[in-house]
Amino acid sequence: SQQGEEDPQALSIQEGENATMNCSYKTSINNLQWYRQNSGRGLVHLILIRSNEREKHSGRLRVTLDTSKKSSSLLITASRAADTASYFCATDAVQGAQKLVFGQGTRLTINP
Amino acid sequence: DAGITQSPRHKVTETGTPVTLRCHQTENHRYMYWYRQDPGHGLRLIHYSYGVKDTDKGEVSDGYSVSRSKTEDFLLTLESATSSQTSVYFCAAGTGDTEKLFFGSGTQLSVL
Repeated sequence: SQQGEEDPQALSIQEGENATMNCSYKTSINNLQWYRQNSGRGLVHLILIRSNEREKHSGRLRVTLDTSKKSSSLLITASRAADTASYFCATDAVQGAQKLVFGQGTRLTINP
Repeated sequence: DAGITQSPRHKVTETGTPVTLRCHQTENHRYMYWYRQDPGHGLRLIHYSYGVKDTDKGEVSDGYSVSRSKTEDFLLTLESATSSQTSVYFCAAGTGDTEKLFFGSGTQLSVL
């Protein structure tokens, strides 16, 4: 069963706008990660946020984590055509570590 | 993709034949993983390894076996391929428990 679920499943915005994707999960976690996948390629790690952190930034990326609501959001600011990709959240479980469980992803399209 | 090489990149095979996919890493990561990616299911963990000769099952391990005789190589074997195993297979590797993973470019497997 999926631990993380992304919302929305697909998102289409204009270049320059901000994109927000959400991830909800079911069980307690050690950390939550976001990955990007360009069409036909493998996943690339974007950012990791630990359970004791609430917000983290990396360039144009901002990730928040609300452990009370078991949810996270990924914000991409000032989007570019090159940001077009699928974005996945991945979580581990406090028990039974060594395994990341991925959500189904959000397909983001940036229109020029 | 960060020293993770998968072979072959594409394979077409017939139902009932054995198939072996290979993952090779050059970064001496301790942990290695095999995922499959299917529409509507995201990435699902098949098997993983936490050291040479140390492997364990993931979420969808039925019909698959793995072996890791060297740190750098992780093999996934479909003993008798079925059409339901048509998928894109990704290998990943990492240094610590559920920390950042590095992914290969994937193997597109079609079982006819």
